[in-house]
Amino acid sequence: AQKVTQAQTEISVVEKEDVTLDCVYETRDTTYYLFWYKQPPSGELVFLIRRNSFDEQNEISGRYSWNFQKSTSSFNFTITSSQVVDSAVYFCALYGSEYGNKLVFGAGTILRVKS
Amino acid sequence: GAVVSQHPSWVICKSGTSVKIECRSLDFQATTMFWYRQFPKQSLMLMATSNEGSKATYEQGVEKDKFLINHASLTLSTLTVTSAHPEDSSFYICSRGVPVPLTQYFGPGTRLTVL
Repeated sequence: AQKVTQAQTEISVVEKEDVTLDCVYETRDTTYYLFWYKQPPSGELVFLIRRNSFDEQNEISGRYSWNFQKSTSSFNFTITSSQVVDSAVYFCALYGSEYGNKLVFGAGTILRVKS
Repeated sequence: GAVVSQHPSWVICKSGTSVKIECRSLDFQATTMFWYRQFPKQSLMLMATSNEGSKATYEQGVEKDKFLINHASLTLSTLTVTSAHPEDSSFYICSRGVPVPLTQYFGPGTRLTVL
């Protein structure tokens, strides 16, 4: 079974639409960390957010927001009023002792924002 | 600004030659750095953990003699792909972590093409 599942392989939206990227994870750890990274066409991964397992407070940063729900083991990412520059591959990742204290990445979701 | 640099950003080599990729931590003395490999349209796969002053820890299935890692200083880790073959063509990415808050920051990646 996948440890981090990003079920959406590819999403296409039109500019200014809102879009939510799903992330579901599996772990037996009580302490763990979740991350979102953005990989634009240039290839460099950009850190977006880190969440620890004890902090279920949702976070908003500009047009970005994250919804962490331990009850459903989900850490979803929403982009409000998407822009062409948001086009990238987005990776959700998990860090915890169950997986050897290493980052475990999901398969990624390709987001295409059309003008 | 960038906190991890990689050099070169791309390299083309002939089959049978060796290629060295450098990864530098620009703002932090990193005792641990990580090397990942990413195939087109796929996720990141951790290859090894580079430890300053000691041997690297390789993931299962990664050939130690093929992918030589040296972490001779707190700011520099190198990955040498020895006797490269076309199947070694890939995007190689390094990262460095910070113990607290456990966030990994990634370099821009090196695209290796073996002819």
